[in-house]
Amino acid sequence: GAGVSQSPSNKVTEKGKDVELRCDPISGHTALYWYRQSLGQGLEFLIYFQGNSAPDKSGLPSDRFSAERTGGSVSTLTIQRTQQEDSAVYLCASSQRGGGKNIQYFGAGTRLSVL
Amino acid sequence: AQKVTQAQTEISVVEKEDVTLDCVYETRDTTYYLFWYKQPPSGELVFLIRRNSFDEQNEISGRYSWNFQKSTSSFNFTITASQVVDSAVYFCALSNSNFGNEKLTFGTGTRLTIIP
Repeated sequence: GAGVSQSPSNKVTEKGKDVELRCDPISGHTALYWYRQSLGQGLEFLIYFQGNSAPDKSGLPSDRFSAERTGGSVSTLTIQRTQQEDSAVYLCASSQRGGGKNIQYFGAGTRLSVL
Repeated sequence: AQKVTQAQTEISVVEKEDVTLDCVYETRDTTYYLFWYKQPPSGELVFLIRRNSFDEQNEISGRYSWNFQKSTSSFNFTITASQVVDSAVYFCALSNSNFGNEKLTFGTGTRLTIIP
């Protein structure tokens, strides 16, 4: 597609349930990133994919968070046993290739609300 | 460790006024990249500009201009003749050049409101 696509745009879940967030990067972009935006913490890096591998998972806040990328394209961020502090906007970005100089293009995000 | 500071949390100006958004960064790397992004109410982060650490030339794009000064570790953003459509949250961000460490470190953002 023309830009980074994320689904769903909004997700409301109950505490303790698992959720899956999807990111479809710009076609041909090999690098994919997940960030989280919350009121208290600002924009935080979660994980980075180059192709299907994740050389940097340093931002995942706990083992309840995991992500995968298949076919060098779509990525899924999974949060198990959601907690209220997981409520945030989850943003996905992609860039043509890895490397800090490359411009990251962002999707509109998934707003997650944990009740 | 890298850090980006945007000391201005919120700014309001009357339409057509000029406004400058401040960004101060910290890094130990000699090669790094600075970015500005705009986040309108729709939520999507929109890329505005990228500068590398070896290029201190100021840049102008229409009503937007950027002033990069390594001596003060600052990368400030000026909007000239502001318009209501400029209302958004603006983020300054920093990355280094190392493969495997591509993440953007963001400032906390500045919410800009242009009053008609």
